[in-house]
Amino acid sequence: DTAVSQTPKYLVTQMGNDKSIKCEQNLGHDTMYWYKQDSKKFLKIMFSYNNKELIINETVPNRFSPKSPDKAHLNLHINSLELGDSAVYFCASSQWLNEKLFFGSGTQLSVL
Amino acid sequence: SQQGEEDPQALSIQEGENATMNCSYKTSINNLQWYRQNSGRGLVHLILIRSNEREKHSGRLRVTLDTSKKSSSLLITASRAADTASYFCATDNSPGGGNKLTFGTGTQLKVEL
Repeated sequence: DTAVSQTPKYLVTQMGNDKSIKCEQNLGHDTMYWYKQDSKKFLKIMFSYNNKELIINETVPNRFSPKSPDKAHLNLHINSLELGDSAVYFCASSQWLNEKLFFGSGTQLSVL
Repeated sequence: SQQGEEDPQALSIQEGENATMNCSYKTSINNLQWYRQNSGRGLVHLILIRSNEREKHSGRLRVTLDTSKKSSSLLITASRAADTASYFCATDNSPGGGNKLTFGTGTQLKVEL
């Protein structure tokens, strides 16, 4: 049983398209996150939700919209994809804010 | 600028040797964490040390924290080929840091047989 699972693992798409990445955790955690890892492996927080409520919204283009239908799910929708959006996107969860995060295996997004 | 920066950027050692990685940060923290990332995988939490702690151990891992120097080190003893991965420090500098967990730039460790 995967603790934090995200789909798809790979996403190849054209510029201008809209795409979604789904994330689910079965750990009973209240807090979930989206991180972006660039080609130099730098990992940056995008969003954080606690019990379905948005608590961190970093300087991210508003083309990125997270949605948390319940505390076990946090999806990421991206509109009008751009070349610079190519990266690996990680979902994570934790029992307490910013402590001991459990990460999914990542979604490698390639925008052509 | 980034909160955490690891040093060295890359480290290559022989199996059985010890590996030491350092992390420096800029602002006050609540805790500092170390994570491992194998190639093509997600990050795995290794150890958390709070701002009022100086040293912590977990198996072959030893983490120290010096808040006066704003630095931490991760020591892996008796390294194995399976320890080959990237290692990241992450700092929780809430509340002043805006409730963010900020990751460093990573140290790429290669353990050769």
